[in-house]
Amino acid sequence: EAGVAQSPRYKIIEKRQSVAFWCNPISGHATLYWYQQILGQGPKLLIQFQNNGVVDDSQLPKDRFSAERLKGVDSTLKIQPAKLEDSAVYLCASSSPSGGTDTTDTQYFGPGTRLTVL
Amino acid sequence: DQQVKQNSPSLSVQEGRISILNCDYTNSMFDYFLWYKKYPAEGPTFLISISSIKDKNEDGRFTVFLNKSAKHLSLHIVPSQPGDSAVYFCAASEGGGSQGNLIFGKGTKLSVKP
Repeated sequence: EAGVAQSPRYKIIEKRQSVAFWCNPISGHATLYWYQQILGQGPKLLIQFQNNGVVDDSQLPKDRFSAERLKGVDSTLKIQPAKLEDSAVYLCASSSPSGGTDTTDTQYFGPGTRLTVL
Repeated sequence: DQQVKQNSPSLSVQEGRISILNCDYTNSMFDYFLWYKKYPAEGPTFLISISSIKDKNEDGRFTVFLNKSAKHLSLHIVPSQPGDSAVYFCAASEGGGSQGNLIFGKGTKLSVKP
């Protein structure tokens, strides 16, 4: 079974530029998550989708971050404009082959995109 | 304010011995706890979990213990193997099981020496 795919793996940009990350979840997984992991910290949830609807985006800095999951499969996370403090690894995870009814469904993480903002 | 704390940034253990990783939490509403393992340049991988209605869960060499009164959980690895060398994250959720917003600790880097 293929895992969660993310691209690009690395990205370096100047502050105030825009950047987008892409995630392809495990086939059949209804729930998709984006996490931000700053160096030395644990991952922090930015947004959670159930199919193509948003379940939780309370920690997403909506003035500069946006995310979408068209058709309930792939997702993109965008930062516009980027700040120095956005330097982090952005992790995508997916879960719920049961469609969200089993709360023990594991979250499977992709390898992440390492963003450096200069 | 950190709700999930892993106070030991690193731990070194001899191969074959027991590794004990600790985690404390402050939110009494957390009802589901997980451990993830992370190798460099990879995403976290689920290891083991425990519901707040239990105090122990075992899976092969890995056992998680939960002490709700102390708001403390620990992961025991017996026997430790060099391949266990990784960063271990403790995570907790409130109401959503493993589907909810997972609150992660900062991680503990385990090194298992041959």
